[in-house]
Amino acid sequence: AQKITQTQPGMFVQEKEAVTLDCTYDTSDPSYGLFWYKQPSSGEMIFLIYQGSYDQQNATEGRYSLNFQKARKSANLVISASQLGDSAMYFCAMREALNQAGTALIFGKGTTLSVSS
Amino acid sequence: DTAVSQTPKYLVTQMGNDKSIKCEQNLGHDTMYWYKQDSKKFLKIMFSYNNKELIINETVPNRFSPKSPDKAHLNLHINSLELGDSAVYFCASSQDRRTGINEKLFFGSGTQLSVL
Repeated sequence: AQKITQTQPGMFVQEKEAVTLDCTYDTSDPSYGLFWYKQPSSGEMIFLIYQGSYDQQNATEGRYSLNFQKARKSANLVISASQLGDSAMYFCAMREALNQAGTALIFGKGTTLSVSS
Repeated sequence: DTAVSQTPKYLVTQMGNDKSIKCEQNLGHDTMYWYKQDSKKFLKIMFSYNNKELIINETVPNRFSPKSPDKAHLNLHINSLELGDSAVYFCASSQDRRTGINEKLFFGSGTQLSVL
């Protein structure tokens, strides 16, 4: 079963506008962490923002914020004032225990964001 | 000073060959990973090592053999390469293997493997 679902294969936004990238997750663990990464066309994976399941407030990092709705199991990334450099693939991920010994980040399929001038 | 470095960046080889990808991290982390990103950009965990011990093996074919000589290095050796092995392979590291749900991954820049 898919643990992380990103339903938007592609999103288009004009410069300076805000955009929301959707992410829903599935877990029965009460303690979990959610992450967003950016992958520009150059290929590197860049960490953007983290939200813990017990965090009282939604995470923010500069122009990035996370709209965390625990009951709906959603962790949408909001990018305010989009810039051309925001054009990239965005991945939502959740840390999951794969066995008793270790955990890893499990990624969604990603959303391609295109910002136009 | 690159935190997680992997070499080579590009690897082009023929089917049936054996190849290796090397990874080193200078962050002092205990845990290292190999991820595979396929042509559709889907990222999938392959292996994880914690302080030289294999802790995650996600049903990867036996042709793939990770090796960790010390906690700062994790190499990936692939035998008898197949067309389907063509992908981008990412090395990553994190501070702790299990206890920190907030443990983000630090990624290397990836190795683009093309099997002809």
